[in-house]
Amino acid sequence: AQSVTQPDIHITVSEGASLELRCNYSYGATPYLFWYVQSPGQGLQLLLKYFSGDTLVQGIKGFEAEFKRSQSSFNLRKPSVHWSDAAEYFCAVALNQAGTALIFGKGTTLSVSS
Amino acid sequence: GAVVSQHPSRVICKSGTSVKIECRSLDFQATTMFWYRQFPKQSLMLMATSNEGSKATYEQGVEKDKFLINHASLTLSTLTVTSAHPEDSSFYICSAPGRTAYYGYTFGSGTRLTVV
Repeated sequence: AQSVTQPDIHITVSEGASLELRCNYSYGATPYLFWYVQSPGQGLQLLLKYFSGDTLVQGIKGFEAEFKRSQSSFNLRKPSVHWSDAAEYFCAVALNQAGTALIFGKGTTLSVSS
Repeated sequence: GAVVSQHPSRVICKSGTSVKIECRSLDFQATTMFWYRQFPKQSLMLMATSNEGSKATYEQGVEKDKFLINHASLTLSTLTVTSAHPEDSSFYICSAPGRTAYYGYTFGSGTRLTVV
């Protein structure tokens, strides 16, 4: 069965420190991969996405993610975290077929300490 | 860019009543709309897929009679929570896909439903 795993439920990072959020997927083929951020009580904002090509993807707000086919992973990184980055982060996957829904991981809550 | 307008953003209703949530695609035609449900501090779970002019497809475990989905036009999809109970309290989000995943997904801003 297709699945998305985010192993870390909650991560706390000091402001200014680097961040890595993990995401693993299980699909028959390489799916399209996404990272979304959700602030409390808010909708979803797309950070970045990967379809093909360069395995290092740059997104908004200084985030990047690296696709590693051998590890079925798509980890999100940021070199220096800001307090405003505290939010819920979701990894999601989809097949490249018309009418295919996004399947989300369980999410990782990021807290930023001063 | 594509925009999906979702209303209401918040609604409080009494147990036993019905609530309708609307998602409108403002500048494009959405032949498909995905409906998700999110419990506090949990992930988004796909409830159903609506397609314009046909019956919705529900995910396993989702009660079709409780969560009525209608996709009457290319710009409007609705979710009606019928005979709502406190356990239906949740955050509901709609999402319209592009032609394929490559073209991305447009999300509504979500509806916080509280049943008292």
